[in-house]
This record gives sequence, C-alpha cells and structure tokens, in this order.
Amino acid sequence: DVKVTQSSRYLVKRTGEKVFLECVQDMDHENMFWYRQDPGLGLRLIYFSYDVKMKEKGDIPEGYSVSREKKERFSLILESASTNQTSMYLCASSEQGLPFDEQFFGPGTRLTVL
Amino acid sequence: AQKITQTQPGMFVQEKEAVTLDCTYDTSDQSYGLFWYKQPSSGEMIFLIYQGSYDEQNATEGRYSLNFQKARKSANLVISASQLGDSAMYFCGITGGKLIFGQGTELSVKP
Repeated sequence: DVKVTQSSRYLVKRTGEKVFLECVQDMDHENMFWYRQDPGLGLRLIYFSYDVKMKEKGDIPEGYSVSREKKERFSLILESASTNQTSMYLCASSEQGLPFDEQFFGPGTRLTVL
Repeated sequence: AQKITQTQPGMFVQEKEAVTLDCTYDTSDQSYGLFWYKQPSSGEMIFLIYQGSYDEQNATEGRYSLNFQKARKSANLVISASQLGDSAMYFCGITGGKLIFGQGTELSVKP
C-alpha cells in the first residue's frame, strides 16, 4: 500500500514564526502536491513538484514556498506565518498513469496560527 | 479554465437507501476526466471512482457509480444501499494536468 505521512496531525504556531510541514511518501512517486483545505472552498493547490529539485506554483502560492531535495520528501514552508494561514494542509503523491494519475493523500496537518 | 461546482453543502440519507451527490463542471478541453474522493472524519482522502470524457459507459466501483451526462456537464455520484460508514465529505473533481476539486458535500447516513 502507498503510504504518505505528514510530520504532525496538529500544529499551533504564532504569527511571524517560520513553519515547516513535512511530507514523506514511500512508493517512489515522481509527483508530489501540497493543498490547503478550508470549509466551503474544497482543496486548493498551493505547490507541486514533478521531480527532485523541481517545483511549480499552484493556484494559491502566496506566502508559501516548498523544497524537494529528495524524491520521497516534499516540504511546505510558511516563511512568516499569518492567521489567515490557519487551515488543514494535505500532502499527496502520484505516479504518471493512464488514464488517471490517482493521488494518494496523507492524513493532513491542522495548523492553527495565533 | 476548469471549474467544479457542488451545490449541496450537506445531505442526509437513511441507511440502506440510495443517494445522489450532485456535481457539475465547466471546461473547454475536449479530453478530461472526472473523479470523486471521500474524506471521513479522520481526514484522509480516499479515491472512489474515475470517468474519462470519452468513456461511453458510466463508471462503477462496487456500490459507487458515476452518472456522467456530458451534454449537461454533470458527473453525479450515486451511492447505492448507504451504510453508516458512508458518512463523510465527498469531493468531486476534474483533471486537466492537475486536479481541480469542488467545495465538497457532507453526507450523513442515518440509522
């Protein structure tokens, strides 16, 4: 079974702190993704990566950056956390497949910024 | 640009009955795919079903079927014989290089 793990289920940080959210997958997938989930808005793509050291902006990249130094690990960084970044963060991975690149998700990190 | 709309924020269904969750989409692509994920209260996203735009038959996976009506641009999820464990958030989405998710529908199954 594909396993995607995220470093924390719950996290509380203060405004202005630098926050690292870690995601690790164990199935050698090329593609990795970071989403945030907010009530009434569904999942919105923040950043994604199709290869090591490669990153692409998603729909809402402002205030975030990412790092992919190893194939299995994709980190989301909040350079200076703000209260409007309080949300559920979901990481996913996938392999190029036909007809559909099914994405496998981690359990999520619920981040609260005070 | 692609867009997904789920107009039902919440739904109730009696155990053992069938339920339909609505999903409409908008895209200018000729080739695309539609999918549904389930998210229980534990938070993980579980892939349920996928339908390609050129597939002539509606997709089915066990108790799940996708009612694909291309002319109406709808991709409703039908769950037959609802179970208590079906209580969850359900997300419809469309593929187009990346996945675009709808707002979600929270389904509650009553005993």
